[in-house]
Amino acid sequence: DTEVTQTPKHLVMGMTNKKSLKCEQHMGHRAMYWYKQKAKKPPELMFVYSYEKLSINESVPSRFSPECPNSSLLNLHLHALQPEDSALYLCASSQVGVGGGNQPQHFGDGTRLSIL
Amino acid sequence: KQEVTQIPAALSVPEGENLVLNCSFTDSAIYNLQWFRQDPGKGLTSLLLIQSSQREQTSGRLNASLDKSSGRSTLYIAASQPGDSATYLCAELYGNNRLAFGKGNQVVVIP
Repeated sequence: DTEVTQTPKHLVMGMTNKKSLKCEQHMGHRAMYWYKQKAKKPPELMFVYSYEKLSINESVPSRFSPECPNSSLLNLHLHALQPEDSALYLCASSQVGVGGGNQPQHFGDGTRLSIL
Repeated sequence: KQEVTQIPAALSVPEGENLVLNCSFTDSAIYNLQWFRQDPGKGLTSLLLIQSSQREQTSGRLNASLDKSSGRSTLYIAASQPGDSATYLCAELYGNNRLAFGKGNQVVVIP
């Protein structure tokens, strides 16, 4: 069983819909991440939150809007997505290491997103 | 720019054989290197993490080594089983908690 829980597991939405992906961890980790993974490709980093503050945005389009309401929760709000945004969206968490990080990242099982 | 390479993209081995997976990276100043397993349609399971100051890590049948001077890490799985069939990804941790992933080795263990 993964210690990072993502909901929903599957999501189908139209291009005009608004939906949110949720991620939760109770390991006391203070860094949380969103990744996007296309089929047969490695995960690509989208956002990093450190101590509930956005520290990295990898030039992600504004139709993806992250939110970290507290140290255990991470949301990804979706609006006006395109078909090419269909992918597996993975959440991860880790301790915040001294000097830039030296801690393993723990991943959830992801949300399979399909845009019609 | 960090580059992580895993070759071959796919391999098959008979059950019981030892598996050796290689990972090459270009950044000698890495913080750590992490090996993951991914089953189809699932997330990533962390297998082993090797700190930059370490040479190897072991967990059960798994052993991972790190050679910073040559820019290589090797994941060794002893006595492979059909349940080891999965995609194995290595990732280098660099500045600000960023992970640079290789493209993975898709492994099939044949019963």
